[in-house]
Amino acid sequence: EVQLVESGGGLVQPGGSLRLSCAASGFTFSSYWMHWVRQVPGKGLVWVSRINSDESSTTYADSVKGRFTISRDNAKNTLYLQMNSLRAEDTAVYYCARDLYNSGRTDAFDIWGQGTMVIVSS
Amino acid sequence: DIVMTQSPDSLAVSLGERATINCKSSQSVLYSSNKKNYLAWYQQKPGQPPKLLIYWASTRESGVPDRFSGSGSGTDFTLTISSLQAEDVALYHCQQYYSTPTFGQGTKLEIK
Repeated sequence: EVQLVESGGGLVQPGGSLRLSCAASGFTFSSYWMHWVRQVPGKGLVWVSRINSDESSTTYADSVKGRFTISRDNAKNTLYLQMNSLRAEDTAVYYCARDLYNSGRTDAFDIWGQGTMVIVSS
Repeated sequence: DIVMTQSPDSLAVSLGERATINCKSSQSVLYSSNKKNYLAWYQQKPGQPPKLLIYWASTRESGVPDRFSGSGSGTDFTLTISSLQAEDVALYHCQQYYSTPTFGQGTKLEIK
């Protein structure tokens, strides 16, 4: 079964850090671009970041640029999001998502994890 | 960034009736070189992650019932559910992937 499972969310104070993980299974993880997308509960989806298959290319939304770092370990089939200098407005459910194609990038997402909640509050 | 605007924000439709959700982009998402519209639709049920329904504006994802269809081109798109079933109650999102991905605000679909 193709699956993505996020972990690492929780409550953190403003200015703090958190590292999210996304464990992939059931497909050739190393062949796909991967993404992080977040959602304030009950609100719309917001794309956060993407990384290519060999980690040579990363891109971020302006709202997180310079604070968040996306990375991956293809040997462990795991995607990461290091979040530093967290703000209240970063509070959301964070989803990892697989790009639609394994040949090139589309920025459409065909597989999503269940999400992990991040709450930034004092 | 391209702004995606969905209408309506919420919609109540009787079982078996047609449901139509609209999505408008602030600029064209039609790529001239391949004639593809970089537009996707997702369904999100309460407590669940989004599920891809439609991509390239009208290509149904594998396993998606054929009562779901996507249409439109350029800046105006529509998701149609031909005969609403109880399990279709959800939040529906459109998304453009022509440039930095952006989503619409979502449309809540309920049973009348």
